[in-house]
Amino acid sequence: GGIITQTPKFLIGQEGQKLTLKCQQNFNHDTMYWYRQDSGKGLRLIYYSITENDLQKGDLSEGYDASREKKSSFSLTVTSAQKNEMAVFLCASSIGGTGNTEVFFGKGTRLTVV
Amino acid sequence: GEQVEQLPSILRVQEGSSASINCSYEDSASNYFPWYKQEPGENPKLIIDIRSNMERKQIQELIVLLDKKAKRFSLHITDTQPGDSAMYFCAASDTNAYKVIFGKGTHLHVLP
Repeated sequence: GGIITQTPKFLIGQEGQKLTLKCQQNFNHDTMYWYRQDSGKGLRLIYYSITENDLQKGDLSEGYDASREKKSSFSLTVTSAQKNEMAVFLCASSIGGTGNTEVFFGKGTRLTVV
Repeated sequence: GEQVEQLPSILRVQEGSSASINCSYEDSASNYFPWYKQEPGENPKLIIDIRSNMERKQIQELIVLLDKKAKRFSLHITDTQPGDSAMYFCAASDTNAYKVIFGKGTHLHVLP
């Protein structure tokens, strides 16, 4: 089996700061995702990528940038952290394509902005 | 884009009874509907899924139903146990399966 590794596990930032979250997967999956999880709002898609160097915007892309440097890694940047922001950011991957296959999640990065 | 509505947001049931979670979607082209379970402090994990060529699927105590005409699908957990207490998410994917949209989640509490 594979694993999705997210770093860091906990991230504390200051208002206005640019913050980068990293994700690595060893499933050899083509598709990777970044979701934001807030209490009562479920999992909202920020960005996804169907292959290396590809980027697709989700419904929540404003305020974020992403980069798919290579097939195994997908990073997310919060361009300007908002004060009192708290959320969990989940990275995920899947084979993707017409197979409609399972999405595997990492354990998340918990962001707190002070 | 695709929207997935999920109800209820909180569900409390007595141990041994059934629990039902309902979802609806907008895009008639959606053809894959997975369900994920997230336990406290853990990442969401796939527990059951259904494709558009099926109306019903069962894995042990989990039953999923799909009504394509009404654009609704549901998860039914029979004989609930304390270990079933968790957050449950439904999802729908578009025709090329790259973009997976989740509902807002249902927090299931199984009461002893």
